[in-house]
Amino acid sequence: GAGVSQSPSNKVTEKGKDVELRCDPISGHTALYWYRQRLGQGLEFLIYFQGNSAPDKSGLPSDRFSAERTGESVSTLTIQRTQQEDSAVYLCASSLVGGRTDTQYFGPGTRLTVL
Amino acid sequence: GENVEQHPSTLSVQEGDSAVIKCTYSDSASNYFPWYKQELGKRPQLIIDIRSNVGEKKDQRIAVTLNKTAKHFSLHITETQPEDSAVYFCAARGYGNKLVFGAGTILRVKS
Repeated sequence: GAGVSQSPSNKVTEKGKDVELRCDPISGHTALYWYRQRLGQGLEFLIYFQGNSAPDKSGLPSDRFSAERTGESVSTLTIQRTQQEDSAVYLCASSLVGGRTDTQYFGPGTRLTVL
Repeated sequence: GENVEQHPSTLSVQEGDSAVIKCTYSDSASNYFPWYKQELGKRPQLIIDIRSNVGEKKDQRIAVTLNKTAKHFSLHITETQPEDSAVYFCAARGYGNKLVFGAGTILRVKS
């Protein structure tokens, strides 16, 4: 079946502008995660949604970052007043139940460049 | 919270040799440990994972071992091939269902 999809694949923006990144999880997956990966670095957890529970926002680096998810479908990650240090690949992942041993499947990522 | 350390940061091996990547974790409650392979410009792909109720798991040329007492787990790739060249990430699922990733290991297989 279809995997996790993300859009846009690339986004170039000017410093100070807002950007919105989209993630479509695998159908039926109740858990959704956002990660940030800076060039040559590891994956940094940002936020986690599980069903109708309150999201775990503990990884969001500042109040310029926010994310929403409608039910068990699409999620959007919004970065306000972008800064050059926000330049990175933003990866979304989804898993079936969100239990402690569920496999996460990653999308292709959105490469964000802030000029 | 959970902290995962991964070594080495880079690893070069000759084609046909074995490669071993090691990770340690801090949260004794963690019970799921996946390994992801990421090729340049691509998404991370799960290659193998292990639950805390087993000590070893194999899948063809890839194996993972887990030592819960010592809180470390390792990835073993045998008979390496050029297509194994990639960045490998270990991870541990700690509190709150979050995966905490290691910093990654760049594996280069020289032919």
